[in-house]
Amino acid sequence: AQSVAQPEDQVNVAEGNPLTVKCTYSVSGNPYLFWYVQYPNRGLQFLLKYITGDNLVKGSYGFEAEFNKSQTSFHLKKPSALVSDSALYFCAVRDTGRAAGNKLTFGGGTRVLVKP
Amino acid sequence: GAGVSQSPSNKVTEKGKDVELRCDPISGHTALYWYRQSLGQGLEFLIYFQGNSAPDKSGLPSDRFSAERTGGSVSTLTIQRTQQEDSAVYLCASSLGGTLRNEQYFGPGTRLTVT
Repeated sequence: AQSVAQPEDQVNVAEGNPLTVKCTYSVSGNPYLFWYVQYPNRGLQFLLKYITGDNLVKGSYGFEAEFNKSQTSFHLKKPSALVSDSALYFCAVRDTGRAAGNKLTFGGGTRVLVKP
Repeated sequence: GAGVSQSPSNKVTEKGKDVELRCDPISGHTALYWYRQSLGQGLEFLIYFQGNSAPDKSGLPSDRFSAERTGGSVSTLTIQRTQQEDSAVYLCASSLGGTLRNEQYFGPGTRLTVT
């Protein structure tokens, strides 16, 4: 069965410093990987995705993520964090293996707090 | 353009009552998903509609939960005989296709409180 782990419940970072939010996954086939962000009292917003091709994916608001097949990771990064990046971040995976079904599985979320 | 809309935004109901939650997907999106977000539980998949195919109901937690999608557009999630553990934010999402290569666009959610 497909699964996603976000090992950190919360990440604290000072404004201007690099931000990393970790995500590891487990699938039987090849993964489709996504990052979403949720601001307070709002729905989830799509940030970026990896489907195939270049391992480094660039997305909205200056975020990027690197697909690492050997480490089964898809960490989200931003070179210089802003206070406005404070939100809840979700990693999600879809397993393309035969028995996986047609479902997106989300991690538990990581709260990012960027301090001025 | 209009995004995914959900109604009501908040619903308070008494234990044992039935509730209906509505989702209007983005026009032209053939895939529609329902999720539940509980405090400290992350997002839980409930049900998935793709075009005219039979829905994937594998995430529905009990037979008190059902959903339908009329005319390939609007969807209604119904919870019968609500229980306090049903309290959560119910999120709807839609996407262009059903292969899950496409990102999902989420509505603002319906916050359900069962008293």
